[in-house]
Amino acid sequence: TQLLEQSPQFLSIQEGENLTVYCNSSSVFSSLQWYRQEPGEGPVLLVTVVTGGEVKKLKRLTFQFGDARKDSSLHITAAQPGDTGLYLCAGAWTSGTYKYIFGTGTRLKVLA
Amino acid sequence: NAGVTQTPKFQVLKTGQSMTLQCAQDMNHNSMYWYRQDPGMGLRLIYYSASEGTTDKGEVPNGYNVSRLNKREFSLRLESAAPSQTSVYFCASRRQGSDKGAFFGQGTRLTVV
Repeated sequence: TQLLEQSPQFLSIQEGENLTVYCNSSSVFSSLQWYRQEPGEGPVLLVTVVTGGEVKKLKRLTFQFGDARKDSSLHITAAQPGDTGLYLCAGAWTSGTYKYIFGTGTRLKVLA
Repeated sequence: NAGVTQTPKFQVLKTGQSMTLQCAQDMNHNSMYWYRQDPGMGLRLIYYSASEGTTDKGEVPNGYNVSRLNKREFSLRLESAAPSQTSVYFCASRRQGSDKGAFFGQGTRLTVV
């Protein structure tokens, strides 16, 4: 059972469009990370959110952590072909366990 | 500055054969992880190790064993490979602290025929 569900699973959009990817769980996380993975490579960390309601921006990417720390979203403004890849969220629980799980993934393709 | 190194990069096994996937990190991280990634999907946690000498089961541990040899190395063993274990395997390490992200190796592409 995957505890972190991402939606949509696949997304194909035109260059210049905006999009939002969601990461949802019934568990409360102490922090949540977003990664991007290119074919043949391991995931690379984009951002960490820690506080409920926190918003972080990375150029055209905006990340938000839900108030209850159970969900997160990634919004991309004016998508570019270079944004193409697999986007993964990952959650770390509060103290007591070092378990670290990943979401189901969103595969994004941005067409020129 | 190698980060996380996995060997081998590719492997083909016959059903029933055994093998060990090796992983080493040079970032002095306490926590290490093994994941598998099936086509088009996210990562599923097989086993993890919070520190040297400790290991715990993840989401999909059946058919695998692990060894945390020392702080640097964390190996994954398939005792009797099955076609269902065909996947890409990633090792990762992470500094302790709930707000820390993970660093990944390049992955091992395993095919069991």
